[in-house]
Amino acid sequence: EAQVTQNPRYLITVTGKKLTVTCSQNMNHEYMSWYRQDPGLGLRQIYYSMNVEVTDKGDVPEGYKVSRKEKRNFPLILESPSPNQTSLYFCASSPNPGAGVADTQYFGPGTRLTVL
Amino acid sequence: QKEVEQNSGPLSVPEGAIASLNCTYSDRGSQSFFWYRQYSGKSPELIMSIYSNGDKEDGRFTAQLNKASQYVSLLIRDSQPSDSATYLCAAANQAGTALIFGKGTTLSVSS
Repeated sequence: EAQVTQNPRYLITVTGKKLTVTCSQNMNHEYMSWYRQDPGLGLRQIYYSMNVEVTDKGDVPEGYKVSRKEKRNFPLILESPSPNQTSLYFCASSPNPGAGVADTQYFGPGTRLTVL
Repeated sequence: QKEVEQNSGPLSVPEGAIASLNCTYSDRGSQSFFWYRQYSGKSPELIMSIYSNGDKEDGRFTAQLNKASQYVSLLIRDSQPSDSATYLCAAANQAGTALIFGKGTTLSVSS
């Protein structure tokens, strides 16, 4: 089954304890992205990766890191989580946005993170 | 800052009626537009994509795009209670690196 998977789905942690949220897709997609969704603010992009060679910041990258060592995986790393990073996180992938045309994005199931 | 604006609602319609959802976008360079449906606590699910001016129909859903007015809409005909959800409008940025999402319109269909 073609899908984007995220782990863990739910996580409660404490301030400053490093964590990684994994994202994997089995559709051979070039493009992957991370979003956070907060009430009243909607979905906001954290980082994106056009392919394994190109990764760049989105609108809200502060406090996050990513890596794209292989096409299928795009982990999100919080080196020192803080309470303001409590949110619902979504990973997404698409075949190839290209220049000027964005293709359909497929979303993972989401990770609900609580930082105490 | 490029933006996509939607009326937050809630929009309430009776079962069988037409629901009309609207959004406007600020980036004139945007070429691709999408409507996603999101149930509470779930991930967004693509309903329609539209790239050219005019109407695009898929079953009970019709997307409309007017690039001159920077306006996108979604019509849902014969609305069902299962259509009750938040609908997200999204526009691809000019570089094609990200989707800019609106904050969503909550639709409630009463039986």
